[in-house]
Amino acid sequence: KQEVTQIPAALSVPEGENLVLNCSFTDSAIYNLQWFRQDPGKGLTSLLLIQSSQREQTSGRLNASLDKSSGRSTLYIAASQPGDSATYLCAVKTQENNNDMRFGAGTRLTVKP
Amino acid sequence: EAQVTQNPRYLITVTGKKLTVTCSQNMNHEYMSWYRQDPGLGLRQIYYSMNVEVTDKGDVPEGYKVSRKEKRNFPLILESPSPNQTSLYFCASSLNRANEKLFFGSGTQLSVL
Repeated sequence: KQEVTQIPAALSVPEGENLVLNCSFTDSAIYNLQWFRQDPGKGLTSLLLIQSSQREQTSGRLNASLDKSSGRSTLYIAASQPGDSATYLCAVKTQENNNDMRFGAGTRLTVKP
Repeated sequence: EAQVTQNPRYLITVTGKKLTVTCSQNMNHEYMSWYRQDPGLGLRQIYYSMNVEVTDKGDVPEGYKVSRKEKRNFPLILESPSPNQTSLYFCASSLNRANEKLFFGSGTQLSVL
């Protein structure tokens, strides 16, 4: 059964710093991996979707990489801003069941002005 | 505006009193799903629907029912709520099986006393 882990659970950085959020998964036979942002009291917003055949995806200051063989994905945020403060979740869709998306518990990011 | 709408946002009820949480999307999406989010556990899938009249169980379906009579609506029904169903619930949709980007509603915070 696929398990998704995100470490650390919380991270605090000063504004302007580049940072990396980590996501690991136990079964490398994945269909795709998706990074989400969740603001307090709100739903999740999809940031980046990486198909299993891709190595990375970029959107503005965000870059997500995927290494299936090692069961890892990273979300790189460049030049962080206070508005980036949120919880970031990764989710993996497994090949065994394409309708099953497994979520990590998330990393709560705080960017201090 | 393209969106997934859930109602109500907050709900307090008592054990055993039937309730329905509504979910509607205006994007003509085929795929819809319900998740619950609990501290430290991430999001877990309750039920999903690939299209009208097609529904299936997710990871934690016990105590829940769904229906998909129309493409836009996917209500979640708790026939006899119990305190362990106190949670934050999210509805999500995506265009179809090939397009995996998920759009989430704003969530429903349910408390069962």
